[in-house]
Amino acid sequence: DIVMTQSPDSLPVSLGERATIRCKSSQSVLYTSNGNNYLAWYQQKSGQPPKLLIYWASTRESGVPDRFSGSGSGTDFSLTISNLQAEDVAVYYCHQYYKTPFTFGQGTKLEIK
Amino acid sequence: QGQLVESGGGVVRPGKSLRLSCVASGINISSNGMHWVRQAPGKGLEWVAVILYDGSKQYYAESVKGRFTISRDNSNNTVYLQMNSLRADDTAVYYCATPPDVSDHWGQGTLVTVSS
Repeated sequence: DIVMTQSPDSLPVSLGERATIRCKSSQSVLYTSNGNNYLAWYQQKSGQPPKLLIYWASTRESGVPDRFSGSGSGTDFSLTISNLQAEDVAVYYCHQYYKTPFTFGQGTKLEIK
Repeated sequence: QGQLVESGGGVVRPGKSLRLSCVASGINISSNGMHWVRQAPGKGLEWVAVILYDGSKQYYAESVKGRFTISRDNSNNTVYLQMNSLRADDTAVYYCATPPDVSDHWGQGTLVTVSS
C-alpha cells in the first residue's frame, strides 16, 4: 500500500500569514504516461464532509480561492495557503488515487496562532 | 448543483450486517467510478472501496476485504455498500464520494455504530 505521511500534525499560523503543509508518499504517484500526479488535497471543517481543494497535485477545484495552491511531483507534495483567513481553520488531508488501495494522509490540523 | 445522500446507517451488534445506500441527484454518476470513505469518531479519513463506472470492477481496503461489497445501480443513480461481519472498529461515519479528478461531491455521511 502507498503510505501518505503529512507534516506537521498541527500547524498554528497567524492571520494573514502563509501556511505550508507537506505530504510524502511511500512511492511515486506520478503516472509518467500522462504526466499527472494522482494526488489531491481536501479540507475538512468540524462537522462537515471533506471539500476538494486541489487535484492532479496542482489543479485548483472550481470555486476554491487562489490563496490555496498545490505543488510537487513524484513523492513530495505541498499545500500552501497564503494570507490565512479565520475560515481556513480545518483539518487538511492529502490523498493518493494512483493505486488501490487508495489512501489518505493522517491529516494536519491548521489553527490560528 | 447535484448532491449525494447516504442512508442505512444505525446501531448494529458485532457480527451482523448492514447495507448503506448512496443516491445521487442532479448529477449523473453512471460514467464515474464511485467511492466509499469512512471516518471513525475523532479520527482521520479512511478510504474503503471504489467501483468502476459500469460496476465491472471493485477494489477494497484490506481492513474490509472479504466482508464489504460495493455495488451500483446506474438506472437509479445509486451506489451501495453491503457490510457483513461487522466489528467494533467499523464504527464510523460513512461517506460516498465522486473521484477527485471528476468532481467534488460528497454526501453528509451516515453513522454506523457497531456495539453490543
